[in-house]
Amino acid sequence: TQLLEQSPQFLSIQEGENLTVYCNSSSVFSSLQWYRQEPGEGPVLLVTVVTGGEVKKLKRLTFQFGDARKDSSLHITAAQPGDTGLYLCAGINAGGTSYGKLTFGQGTILTVHP
Amino acid sequence: GAGVSQTPSNKVTEKGKYVELRCDPISGHTALYWYRQSLGQGPEFLIYFQGTGAADDSGLPNDRFFAVRPEGSVSTLKIQRTERGDSAVYLCASTEGGFGREQFFGPGTRLTVL
Repeated sequence: TQLLEQSPQFLSIQEGENLTVYCNSSSVFSSLQWYRQEPGEGPVLLVTVVTGGEVKKLKRLTFQFGDARKDSSLHITAAQPGDTGLYLCAGINAGGTSYGKLTFGQGTILTVHP
Repeated sequence: GAGVSQTPSNKVTEKGKYVELRCDPISGHTALYWYRQSLGQGPEFLIYFQGTGAADDSGLPNDRFFAVRPEGSVSTLKIQRTERGDSAVYLCASTEGGFGREQFFGPGTRLTVL
């Protein structure tokens, strides 16, 4: 069974602060995705990282995939209240299925206070 | 265009009752997934459909859970003899199919078993 451990589980910060969320596994994934979920809604895809060592930027968000494709991080610069939400990482398995089964981490609940 | 829709948005039932949860995927999406999300956790894979067939049902927790997609579009998740532990948000996602394609999630059905 492939597991993804996210940390921290909860993060409460002030507007303007920086933060990093980590996603770790003992398993190799062919790619890894980050999602954001708001209350009463489904997760929405933010980014997919595919290559070991890859870094992708989305405005104030920076995503990194570990060299061994077992871990990833999400860094937010100058957080804003609008960043508040549940952040989920999800790994796509390296083999075994033809469709790319998603395994989600338990999520990080981020609250940014004005 | 229309996204993934799920009905009902909320369902309250009594222990031992039967429930059906419906998912309308994005038109033209051949692949459909069901996930279960417990409070404070990430989504957990239940079942994957490619067209009309269940290609992977390895995530269904037991034989009380069953899902169908008879015409390759709308899907229904059926839960027999509901238990309090079945209380969760049930999410549906659809995609064009193929490895690692972006999954588009519906808002979920919140099931509460009293």
